[in-house]
Amino acid sequence: EDQVTQSPEALRLQEGESSSLNCSYTVSGLRGLFWYRQDPGKGPEFLFTLYSAGEEKEKERLKATLTKKESFLHITAPKPEDSATYLCAVQPSHGSGNTGKLIFGQGTTLQVKP
Amino acid sequence: DTEVTQTPKHLVMGMTNKKSLKCEQHMGHRAMYWYKQKAKKPPELMFVYSYEKLSINESVPSRFSPECPNSSLLNLHLHALQPEDSALYLCASSQEGGRTYGYTFGSGTRLTVV
Repeated sequence: EDQVTQSPEALRLQEGESSSLNCSYTVSGLRGLFWYRQDPGKGPEFLFTLYSAGEEKEKERLKATLTKKESFLHITAPKPEDSATYLCAVQPSHGSGNTGKLIFGQGTTLQVKP
Repeated sequence: DTEVTQTPKHLVMGMTNKKSLKCEQHMGHRAMYWYKQKAKKPPELMFVYSYEKLSINESVPSRFSPECPNSSLLNLHLHALQPEDSALYLCASSQEGGRTYGYTFGSGTRLTVV
C-alpha cells in the first residue's frame, strides 16, 4: 500500500536555529514527490517537486532533497514567518496516466519563535 | 494571489440546503481536483477531472456532486449534507503530461454544516 509518513509531527525552533523535516514514503513507483507549505485556513502553497533520488532543490531558506525512501526539507536560519504546516505528498506512477492522485503525509507543524 | 480562485470563501448551510462551490483557473491546466481537509489533517482527494472527464471517484457520498462545465471551471454541488461534512474544501489544478507538475491549490472554501 502506498504510504507517506512525516516526522516530527510538530517542531519548535528558535529564530536562526536550522533543522530538517522528514518525509518517508512507500510507493510502488514514484512519479513525483511534492512539498507544500500551508498556513492556517489557507490552501497549500507549492514549494518543490522532486523526481528522482539524488535530486535537490532550493528556495530561499528551504532546501529539499530526495532519496529512494525519503525526502528531507532543510530549513536554514528560519524566521518567524516560516511558521506553517509543511506537507509532503507523492504521486504514484502506477494507475491511469492522467489521474494525478497525490498521497499526502500528515504534515509537520513548524513554529519559529523570535 | 493564488491562480486558482474559489468562491465563496466561507459558507454556512443547513442540512436541507442545496449549495454549490465554485472553482476557476486560467493557467491552461487540463486536470482539476476537489479535496476535503479536516482540521489538523492532510487533504483527502474527492474527485479528479482530467480533460473534463471524471477519472476518480473515491467512494465519496452522493450528497457531493462534481461538475466540470469546461476546462477552466469546476463546481461542487452540495445537497443534504451532514455536520461531519464541515471542513475546508480545496480545489486544485495541474498540468498533465509525461512529467508530473505540482498542483496549484486555491485558498479553499470553509464550509460549516449546521
